[in-house]
Amino acid sequence: ETGVTQTPRHLVMGMTNKKSLKCEQHLGHNAMYWYKQSAKKPLELMFVYSLEERVENNSVPSRFSPECPNSSHLFLHLHTLQPEDSALYLCASSQVYENTGELFFGEGSRLTVL
Amino acid sequence: QKEVEQDPGPLSVPEGAIVSLNCTYSNSAFQYFMWYRQYSRKGPELLMYTYSSGNKEDGRFTAQVDKSSKYISLFIRDSQPSDSATYLCAMSASGGGNKLTFGTGTQLKVEL
Repeated sequence: ETGVTQTPRHLVMGMTNKKSLKCEQHLGHNAMYWYKQSAKKPLELMFVYSLEERVENNSVPSRFSPECPNSSHLFLHLHTLQPEDSALYLCASSQVYENTGELFFGEGSRLTVL
Repeated sequence: QKEVEQDPGPLSVPEGAIVSLNCTYSNSAFQYFMWYRQYSRKGPELLMYTYSSGNKEDGRFTAQVDKSSKYISLFIRDSQPSDSATYLCAMSASGGGNKLTFGTGTQLKVEL
């Protein structure tokens, strides 16, 4: 495995379900991110983990709960979601002190909330 | 007013055309400018990176930054069907992956 891998690629869930998205990076990076991508909207930064500590939470509803057990793995736990949460959820990684700000993205998890 | 404005398209051009993609921004503190390319059902990947003003060329791609006008452009010469993708501009004031502000992306289709 190389790069950033995300599972599952597609997820359909009801509003009362609990599910998790998983991300794994094989690049030796020490920062990981969750982004939300909706049609016709800019990428929205949700959470940032730097050196395994959460450094940013952009006013994301508590129905989204991140977990970063180590520098290679990132989870996004989902519960009691709303239909407007349907979107593509992208995981990314980078080196913390990389000035270019280059992010390496996974292919995304397409979430549909019924 | 959005911090970064980008026409979502779609933009359709014939193969071989010169493509111009643009973003405008309002934050004069931005000094790191990037273009990401996102193919259908894939994540974005960094295409071009420019610091401050000026031009940068990489093969068929040229990135331009005009800080006085708060305007950035990506030019694609001799466009190919394989260039069909969504192009997202991104920028930041201080560098660092957690400081990027993205545009909405422009969907480009290069037709045979």
